[in-house]
Amino acid sequence: KQEVTQIPAALSVPEGENLVLNCSFTDSAIYNLQWFRQDPGKGLTSLLLIQSSQREQTSGRLNASLDKSSGRSTLYIAASQPGDSATYLCAVKFGNEKLTFGTGTRLTIIP
Amino acid sequence: GAGVSQTPSNKVTEKGKYVELRCDPISGHTALYWYRQSLGQGPEFLIYFQGTGAADDSGLPNDRFFAVRPEGSVSTLKIQRTERGDSAVYLCASSLTARQPQHFGDGTRLSIL
Repeated sequence: KQEVTQIPAALSVPEGENLVLNCSFTDSAIYNLQWFRQDPGKGLTSLLLIQSSQREQTSGRLNASLDKSSGRSTLYIAASQPGDSATYLCAVKFGNEKLTFGTGTRLTIIP
Repeated sequence: GAGVSQTPSNKVTEKGKYVELRCDPISGHTALYWYRQSLGQGPEFLIYFQGTGAADDSGLPNDRFFAVRPEGSVSTLKIQRTERGDSAVYLCASSLTARQPQHFGDGTRLSIL
């Protein structure tokens, strides 16, 4: 069964620190991997998309990496800010057209 | 609007009733997806449309759930004989093609009393 796991479920860090969110998946035959942000009561905002042929993608203070052989992706957030507080979801496209999501990491940045 | 629009934003109804949830995708997007998100969980796939046809409905939990996209744009998710376990946020997403990033709406929060 194709599964996506995110640990930890929740994380609190002081403002200004760099942090890493983790995502693991069970099948290395992926098409792409996407990181989303979800604010309470809202839909999902796409942050970064990594194709299976890529190793990383960067957007501003965010950097996402992909290691298919180990079934892992990380989302690195530099110089965290209170506005970064949200739930971060990892989603994998395993070759069919649907996304398989992890359960998310709820991030709190402490001012 | 520029994004995916879902209506209503909230729906409260009694057990056993019929509900319809609407999704307006981004103009020109051929692929449309429905997901369901329970509290504290990630979204779970329900159904995917390519144009007017349902290309993959493997995520629909049972035959009480049905979705249509008659003109290849707006889609409606229909739930018959609602049960309390159907309570969740129903998310719609669209993409330019099936292999492009998916863009999500804000969802419909469905509560079955």
